Amino acid sequence: AQSVAQPEDQVNVAEGNPLTVKCTYSVSGNPYLFWYVQYPNRGLQFLLKYITGDNLVKGSYGFEAEFNKSQTSFHLKKPSALVSDSALYFCAVRDMNTGFQKLVFGTGTRLLVSP
Amino acid sequence: NAGVTQTPKFQVLKTGQSMTLQCAQDMNHNSMYWYRQDPGMGLRLIYYSASEGTTDKGEVPNGYNVSRLNKREFSLRLESAAPSQTSVYFCASSGGGFGRNSPLHFGNGTRLTVT
Repeated sequence: AQSVAQPEDQVNVAEGNPLTVKCTYSVSGNPYLFWYVQYPNRGLQFLLKYITGDNLVKGSYGFEAEFNKSQTSFHLKKPSALVSDSALYFCAVRDMNTGFQKLVFGTGTRLLVSP
Repeated sequence: NAGVTQTPKFQVLKTGQSMTLQCAQDMNHNSMYWYRQDPGMGLRLIYYSASEGTTDKGEVPNGYNVSRLNKREFSLRLESAAPSQTSVYFCASSGGGFGRNSPLHFGNGTRLTVT
């Protein structure tokens, strides 16, 4: 079965510092990977996706993610964190067991950016 | 442009009561989904509808039923609510069909408490 793991429940970073939110995946075949962000009392919002091609994927709000096939990782990164980046971040993988686009989500990582 | 609209925002039920969560999207998307979000468990797929006229079970369908009323609307029904169904429920839609990786667009959620 396709799955993703987010090993950190929470990541703390100071404003202006680089941030990394970790995600590892387990899939059969080529992985289709996604990052979503959830602000308080809101639904999830799409940040970026990796389908094929460049290992560095750029997304919304200055975020990017690095796909690493040998380490089966898809870590989310940002060069300089903002307080407004504080939110819950979810990694997701497309379930390839069906032809339909079902996503399987990780358990989420809370990012706290301090001023 | 409202996107995905869920009603109600909050609901308290007693064990054994029934209710229907409503979801509508105005983006002309083919596919719609119902997820539940629980602390430490991320998002889990309850049911999905790949296209108008079809519905399929996700990871956790027990205790729920769905109706794809038309292309815009996808409702989730709890026939006999149980405390284990206390959760935040999210509806989502996507424009992608077979083999595509379109982002999911989420509503703002319904917070349900069953006492």
